[in-house]
Parts: sequence; C-alpha cells; structure tokens
Amino acid sequence: GAGVSQTPSNKVTEKGKYVELRCDPISGHTALYWYRQSLGQGPEFLIYFQGTGAADDSGLPNDRFFAVRPEGSVSTLKIQRTERGDSAVYLCASSLTPMRGEGSYNEQFFGPGTRLTVL
Amino acid sequence: GESVGLHLPTLSVQEGDNSIINCAYSNSASDYFIWYKQESGKGPQFIIDIRSNMDKRQGQRVTVLLNKTVKHLSLQIAATQPGDSAVYFCAENTASGGSYIPTFGRGTSLIVHP
Repeated sequence: GAGVSQTPSNKVTEKGKYVELRCDPISGHTALYWYRQSLGQGPEFLIYFQGTGAADDSGLPNDRFFAVRPEGSVSTLKIQRTERGDSAVYLCASSLTPMRGEGSYNEQFFGPGTRLTVL
Repeated sequence: GESVGLHLPTLSVQEGDNSIINCAYSNSASDYFIWYKQESGKGPQFIIDIRSNMDKRQGQRVTVLLNKTVKHLSLQIAATQPGDSAVYFCAENTASGGSYIPTFGRGTSLIVHP
C-alpha cells in the first residue's frame, strides 16, 4: 500500500539558496509532522499540522524555516537562505488523527526522508 | 570521514541471542514512551509503546520495561535475527497542540551476526 512519500529523495544546493521539500502523507491522515535528523542523531521535531493549520511550530529553528499544508494533505517545508548547518535528512510523518492526551496513540508513519546537502 | 562523537553506541550480538537496548530519558513529566527501529535509508518505524502507568509491556518478540524512578527504558528483543539489525531509538512524548510530540534519544546501533 502507499505510504508517506517525500520528494526529492536528495537535494544538493548552495549556501544562500532557497529550497522546498515536499511530503505526501498517507491518504486520509489528518495529522502531519516534520522532523530533521542530523548524522548520528535521533529525529528532531520541527512542526506539526492538524489539517491545514500548524498546531505546534515550536521546533522550527528560526524564521528561515516555514511549512505549509494549504489543502490539508500535501505539505511543503521551505527553507530560505540555506546554511551549511541545515544539511540533514528531513523526515515527514503522518497519522490518522493526532494523539490526544488521554486517548490512544495514533501511530506516526514516517516517509524515507529527503537528504539535504548545503554546499 | 566521520568525526568522533558521531558514532552511535553499538550492540553486537549473535543470531538467536536476546538483545537489551537501554535508554535514559530526561523529562520526569513524560507520560508516554515509544521505541522505534530505523533501517538505513528509511524513516523510523514504530515497534512498541508504553504509558507511564505501566512498568512492562510485551509484544511479539519484544518487551519494553519502564523504570520511572531512575528515568530509564529498555527494549528487550528475544531470539534476535539478522533482520533486527538497525538503529533503535527511544522517544519520550509530551502532549502539545492535541498531539503527543516525541523527543528522540540518540539511538543505539544493533548489529546481529548470523
């Protein structure tokens, strides 16, 4: 079955350029999450969408990072004026609904990631 | 090449042995914990979870133990197989914006020798 897909799988860019990374969640999943994973580290939360709105963007490192999900399905992570320190694998995950504090966990399904290299 | 500090803790076992992977978490207010498996070139995959009101949970060939007193989690894999070779992450979860947001640990690389 179709899982979470991310494009491109690899992106090489130059310092100062703008990049967009795309995530296609599993059909029908209302919650969508972006993470960043540096070499040898665990994923680091960036932002979470419930439907079209960003419910928690506390993980975005600075205002160069922005994400949208205009129709509540596909999401795009946008990075302006890229820096070498932005090089990482950017992971997207989706879940059927967000996990509620008192409810059962709705498993997050991860995509394969986009490897971003900033030269 | 890789720099010192980027090498993950590694556990090397023989096929058929039992494996134990340990994890320390930091937030005593975390009330939900998940173990993930990540194979090379793929995203993390959910293995098993446990809530803070439990100290043990079993799945198929896996068991998670939670010790809240010392803020420690462990993942036990029975009869480890070559297909279990991967990096394993624990994640503590805190509620935010209607969801649980995971904070991942650094990970342990499990290598299973046939």
